[in-house]
Amino acid sequence: EAGVVQSPRYKIIEKKQPVAFWCNPISGHNTLYWYLQNLGQGPELLIRYENEEAVDDSQLPKDRFSAERLKGVDSTLKIQPAELGDSAVYLCASSPGSIRGETQYFGPGTRLLVL
Amino acid sequence: ELKVEQNPLFLSMQEGKNYTIYCNYSTTSDRLYWYRQDPGKSLESLFVLLSNGAVKQEGRLMASLDTKARLSTLHITAAVHDLSATYFCADPPIIQGAQKLVFGQGTRLTINP
Repeated sequence: EAGVVQSPRYKIIEKKQPVAFWCNPISGHNTLYWYLQNLGQGPELLIRYENEEAVDDSQLPKDRFSAERLKGVDSTLKIQPAELGDSAVYLCASSPGSIRGETQYFGPGTRLLVL
Repeated sequence: ELKVEQNPLFLSMQEGKNYTIYCNYSTTSDRLYWYRQDPGKSLESLFVLLSNGAVKQEGRLMASLDTKARLSTLHITAAVHDLSATYFCADPPIIQGAQKLVFGQGTRLTINP
């Protein structure tokens, strides 16, 4: 069974430029998460989707971050414009449903460096 | 405030030794997760502890959960180099309308030959 797929794996951009990350969850998983992981820290939730609906985006900095999950499968996370402090690893995860505490399966992440 | 604290944050140990990583959480959660992360890689699920007193073992790793003390432990027995990684515990807090994992800072474990 294929795991969570993310692309690109690495991205280097200059500040003020836009950037987008793509995630394909495990087939059949209805719930999708985007996490931010700063160096030396644990992941922090940015947004959670149940199918195509964003049900928890309270931690998403909406002035520059946006996300979408059209058709309830793949998802895209965008930053526009990027700032130096956005350099981090962006992880996508998925789980079969929306039961609290269900195991989340993580993708390899996109490592972003903003210069 | 939702808080998960791991102790220690860095651990360097010799092969063959035993050690324990501690995870304290602030919520009334009844379950706890442990993940492993290798450098540059994603998080791999190790254990899901679903109730008070739960104990799970996989090879040289054993995890336990005490919900009354809000404490989980990850015990390493006779460590080997392959276990070098960063270990995260994560708490799924009981919050109406929310389903999220709150992660600890991670424990970077280095096992020396």
